Amino acid sequence: DAGVIQSPRHEVTEMGQEVTLRCKPISGHNSLFWYRQTMMRGLELLIYFNNNVPIDDSGMPEDRFSAKMPNASFSTLKIQPSEPRDSAVYFCASSPEGGWEETQYFGPGTRLLVL
Amino acid sequence: AQTVTQSQPEMSVQEAETVTLSCTYDTSESDYYLFWYKQPPSRQMILVIRQEAYKQQNATENRFSVNFQKAAKSFSLKISDSQLGDAAMYFCAYRSPNTGNQFYFGTGTSLTVIP
Repeated sequence: DAGVIQSPRHEVTEMGQEVTLRCKPISGHNSLFWYRQTMMRGLELLIYFNNNVPIDDSGMPEDRFSAKMPNASFSTLKIQPSEPRDSAVYFCASSPEGGWEETQYFGPGTRLLVL
Repeated sequence: AQTVTQSQPEMSVQEAETVTLSCTYDTSESDYYLFWYKQPPSRQMILVIRQEAYKQQNATENRFSVNFQKAAKSFSLKISDSQLGDAAMYFCAYRSPNTGNQFYFGTGTSLTVIP
């Protein structure tokens, strides 16, 4: 199994530009999570999906952030317009169906730098 | 909401020695799972060990074991015979069926292994 795949691995952009982060969960997993990690705030849950439906987006910082999951094998996190304070590592994670005892499997993360 | 607290931002241990990382949590649930994740400098989040709340026996995975005290809501991680490769950030996490698929993470403990 390839694990959770995220792209790009690194992104450098200028303030005001649109940024799109992509995630492919592990096949068969029905839950997908987007996290943001910074030194100041630690690991924050932004949004999560069950069966492609957004369940809780209360962690999304503001309207500049949006996330979609058009199908079971793909999700995007978009920031428009980006700001320097959005610089962080963004993780995608997926979790299998069948039991809340299951763990989350994390992708390698996307390191975003907004100049 | 459930909260997970890691009161030790940083810890250090001599190589080959034993170290214990602390984690406490707040919940009114009786059934839940607890997890320890390791995040090395590569930033990849790796599951170390997990514990079911209804099991009294502490989970063990090779050099990693937990001390689970349900009444005290405490879930500490013990690393025996510490190795240089154990140096990483360690996160404690909580999940229960009543929180859906959502995980709650602590703020992490940075572990340094001294040669």
